[in-house]
Amino acid sequence: KAGVTQTPRYLIKTRGQQVTLSCSPISGHRSVSWYQQTPGQGLQFLFEYFSETQRNKGNFPGRFSGRQFSNSRSEMNVSTLELGDSALYLCASSPRLAGTDTQYFGPGTRLTVL
Amino acid sequence: DQQVKQNSPSLSVQEGRISILNCDYTNSMFDYFLWYKKYPAEGPTFLISISSIKDKNEDGRFTVFLNKSAKHLSLHIVPSQPGDSAVYFCAAMRGTSYGKLTFGQGTILTVHP
Repeated sequence: KAGVTQTPRYLIKTRGQQVTLSCSPISGHRSVSWYQQTPGQGLQFLFEYFSETQRNKGNFPGRFSGRQFSNSRSEMNVSTLELGDSALYLCASSPRLAGTDTQYFGPGTRLTVL
Repeated sequence: DQQVKQNSPSLSVQEGRISILNCDYTNSMFDYFLWYKKYPAEGPTFLISISSIKDKNEDGRFTVFLNKSAKHLSLHIVPSQPGDSAVYFCAAMRGTSYGKLTFGQGTILTVHP
């Protein structure tokens, strides 16, 4: 089975711009979660989608949004970029089975905001 | 509020010996715990998990122990190999919060040949 794929792998943007990141989950996985990793804050949960609906949301401003499509692929969008948004953005998928919900991560998208 | 804590930022071990990585949590509602290994600029790789109804889970060289009364879990790697050198994260989730993992800050493991 192919793993979680994320595109693009690297991105450079300037302050004020917006960006869209894409994630394709493992085949058959219906849940997609997004995380932000920074040196200061570590790995922090952004949001989770299941069956095209946002089921969980972390403590991030409204500039961070996402969506999931009927094929379980997901996109996340960050508007009005700030320098502090520079981070590794990770996507994880899971089959969403009750009692066990191991998440498998993609390689991440490295976003640099100048 | 750091609900999952890995108090040791780094650990250095000789090849062939045991590596023990520790993790403490404060939220008693967590009922599923995972360990991930991460190399720089890559996504975390799942290693092993444990449900709160168990106190031990073993997979090859990796064993995770859970002490619910102490709210503590540990990952044992035996024997340690240089290829195990990476950052190790423990993570926890509540059964009712699917998809939301709370991570510790990570421990850098270095295994010397």
